[in-house]
Amino acid sequence: DSGVTQTPKHLITATGQRVTLRCSPRSGDLSVYWYQQSLDQGLQFLIQYYNGEERAKGNILERFSAQQFPDLHSELNLSSLELGDSALYFCASSPLGTSGRYEQFFGPGTRLTVL
Amino acid sequence: QQPVQSPQAVILREGEDAVINCSSSKALYSVHWYRQKHGEAPVFLMILLKGGEQKGHEKISASFNEKKQQSSLYLTASQLSYSGTYFCGTEKKGGSEKLVFGKGTKLTVNP
Repeated sequence: DSGVTQTPKHLITATGQRVTLRCSPRSGDLSVYWYQQSLDQGLQFLIQYYNGEERAKGNILERFSAQQFPDLHSELNLSSLELGDSALYFCASSPLGTSGRYEQFFGPGTRLTVL
Repeated sequence: QQPVQSPQAVILREGEDAVINCSSSKALYSVHWYRQKHGEAPVFLMILLKGGEQKGHEKISASFNEKKQQSSLYLTASQLSYSGTYFCGTEKKGGSEKLVFGKGTKLTVNP
């Protein structure tokens, strides 16, 4: 158990809908990262937040947005969902903002299925 | 830019050795290695921060050649528990501190 929690574990929804994925980092970790993992693409970095502020952005679609709240939990919002958005979404946390210098602790993931 | 991992897959018998390579076209600040078992989250193995640095984790070790912009993961005397997909994640020098992961190398260890 990494100490990172994600809810829900599974999510099934229809195209065009909007969903929110939630992540609680390990106690004391200030950085939260979101990744998308599909079968043939490995782990795609989406976005990083550090202590409430956006720190780095990856290949995040405009239909996706995220935020980190004062209690450091984070939410990833996915809207106008398409079939291709079906994937495993991981949240990870690390103590500080410099991702390359500290290990990241991954949550169990949320499996999103868009029908 | 996404680092390139090779091989894409490897099958071993227990006790055999394997090497997984990770190459980048960009100058690197750090290389991370993670292992992910089927249906589970990636788990951290090690970080290499300096050129030429080598680190070990039980019978799993890694090296980082800064000049060649590549890292290698060495698995010796493999055990069944080593099975999984291995990902390298790279942070480029002077970059935005984000990690870019390779597509992974699937390792299967058979009895």
